[in-house]
Amino acid sequence: EVQLLESGGGLVQPGGSLRLSCAASGFTFSSYAMSWVRQAPGKGLEWVSTISGSGGGTYYADSVKGRFTISRDNSKNTLNLQMNSLRDEDTAVYYCARRIGVAGRIDYWGQGTLITVSS
Amino acid sequence: EIVLTQSPGTLSLSPGERATLSCRASQSVSSNFLAWYQQKPGQAPRLLIYGASSRATGIPDRFSGSGSGTDFTLTISRLEPEDFAVYYCQQYGSSPPDTFGQGTKLEIK
Repeated sequence: EVQLLESGGGLVQPGGSLRLSCAASGFTFSSYAMSWVRQAPGKGLEWVSTISGSGGGTYYADSVKGRFTISRDNSKNTLNLQMNSLRDEDTAVYYCARRIGVAGRIDYWGQGTLITVSS
Repeated sequence: EIVLTQSPGTLSLSPGERATLSCRASQSVSSNFLAWYQQKPGQAPRLLIYGASSRATGIPDRFSGSGSGTDFTLTISRLEPEDFAVYYCQQYGSSPPDTFGQGTKLEIK
């Protein structure tokens, strides 16, 4: 059974940093691209970042480019998102998601972790 | 970037009725790489349809997707109580970036 379990969420002040992690199990992690997708309170879904299975390709939404860094450790089946220079508008539930290729569909989602950026 | 517009914003129907949800793209979606997701309150989205018309594993056959190019439809043939949720379309053919529609809320009438 595919399982994606996010951790690392919480309250952070504007300008601060936070690191999210996603522990994956139930599939061959290195064979799949992975993404982060976020959802602000009461709003829709927004793609944040994608990383290829090998980790050699990374892609970012313009809204986070230069501030967020996606990475993965295939030996530990873990996906990470380093978030720097956080802004109020980064407040959202962040979902870890498995996808079928860098440009493929998302087929599994984690349960999400809430990031609140507030002073 | 492809913009997806979903309509209606809210759809009020009764169990047993047929639901038709629309997703229109600002330009043609590559290879009909369009997906539909269902999201219930407090839960993660769940993949229903991919490739515009293929049902994901475990999805009941009352859910069907159709369309091509710029116009896509999700149809739920006979609504069950558990189908009332928010539905999102997503294009991934020209990703990254992915783009999502703003969602359609399907509520009980």
